[in-house]
Amino acid sequence: EDKVVQSPLSLVVHEGDTVTLNCSYEVTNFRSLLWYKQEKKAPTFLFMLTSSGIEKKSGRLSSILDKKELFSILNITATQTGDSAVYLCAVIRQGGSEKLVFGKGTKLTVNP
Amino acid sequence: NAGVTQTPKFQVLKTGQSMTLQCAQDMNHEYMSWYRQDPGMGLRLIHYSVGAGITDQGEVPNGYNVSRSTTEDFPLRLLSAAPSQTSVYFCASSPGTGRGYQPQHFGDGTRLSIL
Repeated sequence: EDKVVQSPLSLVVHEGDTVTLNCSYEVTNFRSLLWYKQEKKAPTFLFMLTSSGIEKKSGRLSSILDKKELFSILNITATQTGDSAVYLCAVIRQGGSEKLVFGKGTKLTVNP
Repeated sequence: NAGVTQTPKFQVLKTGQSMTLQCAQDMNHEYMSWYRQDPGMGLRLIHYSVGAGITDQGEVPNGYNVSRSTTEDFPLRLLSAAPSQTSVYFCASSPGTGRGYQPQHFGDGTRLSIL
């Protein structure tokens, strides 16, 4: 059975802090790992990682995948209150399936 | 750009009632799916469709039916609502693997309470 585990489940920081969110996985025929940000409503796509060791960046957010150790991290530097959200990690298999297997998410709260 | 539209946004049902959650997308996406999100559980796949006329079960399909008569619409039916189906339901779509994998777009969700 495919499994995606995120840690920590919740995190409270102050504005300006740097945070690292973790995602480990056990998936048959792994293809890619995705990160989503969920505020009040729909999850919104952040990154898709397929190759090991290649960092993806978008502003203050970055992510990297380690396919040997089966995990990914999402870094957020100089956090802002607008970064407060649930961050979801999901994996997808090889073989043409679009089915996503999600972790439980990390709830990040950034206080002023 | 409407994207993925879900209706209704909120609904309260009594145990045993039936209802249909609507999902429509205007991006000509082949792949559509339904997830439920419960506190502390992440998103779990209920049913999905790879194109009109083709549907399949996900991780938690019991108590739900789907059909896909058109590319645009993918309704989710609760046949006899149970309190365990109280959840937030999300519909998602993506172009389909024929165009290379692209991330799924999610609707804003339907919050469903069953008394």
